[in-house]
Amino acid sequence: KAGVTQTPRYLIKTRGQQVTLSCSPISGHRSVSWYQQTPGQGLQFLFEYFSETQRNKGNFPGRFSGRQFSNSRSEMNVSTLELGDSALYLCASGLGLQLNEQFFGPGTRLTVL
Amino acid sequence: QKEVEQNSGPLSVPEGAIASLNCTYSDRGSQSFFWYRQYSGKSPELIMFIYSNGDKEDGRFTAQLNKASQYVSLLIRDSQPSDSATYLCAVNAGNNRKLIWGLGTSLAVNP
Repeated sequence: KAGVTQTPRYLIKTRGQQVTLSCSPISGHRSVSWYQQTPGQGLQFLFEYFSETQRNKGNFPGRFSGRQFSNSRSEMNVSTLELGDSALYLCASGLGLQLNEQFFGPGTRLTVL
Repeated sequence: QKEVEQNSGPLSVPEGAIASLNCTYSDRGSQSFFWYRQYSGKSPELIMFIYSNGDKEDGRFTAQLNKASQYVSLLIRDSQPSDSATYLCAVNAGNNRKLIWGLGTSLAVNP
């Protein structure tokens, strides 16, 4: 069974631009969570989707948004990029809502110049 | 004060020794606790989770939880060089599904 896929794997943007990241969960999984990982802050929860509905949201500004499609694929968007948005963005796929069943994708490395 | 704290390390142990990794958390309402392993340049992978006070063993790994002391630990017996990674502690308060993460402890197992 294929794992979680994230595209693109690497991205370079400049301040003020916007970016869209994609996550395809494991086949049959309906939950997708997004995390931001930086050396200084570690992993921080962005949001979680289940069956196209946002179930939880972390403490990030409104520039960060996401959505989930009927096939469970999810996208997150960051508008008006700032230097501090440079990070590894990880998505985690889950069959249901059990936290012990999350499987992480390889991540998208975003660099903002 | 960060909600989940871990010593950043590096923790260095010889091959075959027991590695002990510690994590403290601030929210007394926390109900579920997770240990993830992250190799350099890779994504985290779940290795243990624990919900109740006491010990939980899985192969060479043992998770220990003490809610009164707000402390969770991970013991790795017979450490192998392949165990060299960053170990992340994550905690969930139970009233939502958000995981709060520590910054991780870097473990180096020396042959």
